[in-house]
Amino acid sequence: DQQVKQNSPSLSVQEGRISILNCDYTNSMFDYFLWYKKYPAEGPTFLISISSIKDKNEDGRFTVFLNKSAKHLSLHIVPSQPGDSAVYFCAASGETDSWGKLQFGAGTQVVVTP
Amino acid sequence: GAGVSQSPSNKVTEKGKDVELRCDPISGHTALYWYRQSLGQGLEFLIYFQGNSAPDKSGLPSDRFSAERTGGSVSTLTIQRTQQEDSAVYLCASSAYRQGARGYTFGSGTRLTVV
Repeated sequence: DQQVKQNSPSLSVQEGRISILNCDYTNSMFDYFLWYKKYPAEGPTFLISISSIKDKNEDGRFTVFLNKSAKHLSLHIVPSQPGDSAVYFCAASGETDSWGKLQFGAGTQVVVTP
Repeated sequence: GAGVSQSPSNKVTEKGKDVELRCDPISGHTALYWYRQSLGQGLEFLIYFQGNSAPDKSGLPSDRFSAERTGGSVSTLTIQRTQQEDSAVYLCASSAYRQGARGYTFGSGTRLTVV
């Protein structure tokens, strides 16, 4: 049962524009959410996270928004750059997974075009 | 080491053979995780080790899968009698004590192909 869903397998965006990646989850016990970025033949790298006590977290060009009532989070990248072309994974963990076991979405392939 | 090291990077094996995948975590990291990514799927949790505690094996898909972590460092994931559905990228991650997911460092993975 997929508890974290990324319904858009791919996204194409022009350089300089905003990229918006979406993620939905079903488990209301999740209290911590993360985004990872993955280049081909490399492991995922941590990008940004948000705790369920917040609704927004910003780090440079990256902002994550959390809507707990809708069980939805999104990642905004602005402005998008060619180096942002990668697969982005949404992940979540809950109180009982405090040691860090994560549930991942299937990923969204982002392509930033010149 | 400086990062999480996994070997081999690629493995092609015949159906029915056993395979061993190795993970060398960051020195001093007490937590070690195995995930796998099948084609078109997200990362699927397999097993996690934390210090000397009993491992959480709740994600292992069948009894053909096993893992051990010797001396609190290197881990080996063993798949017996491989099947074609075992084909995936197997990823290992480690994190420091109590950092959990906030401190994950992933290796580059082992791409396993069962033919």
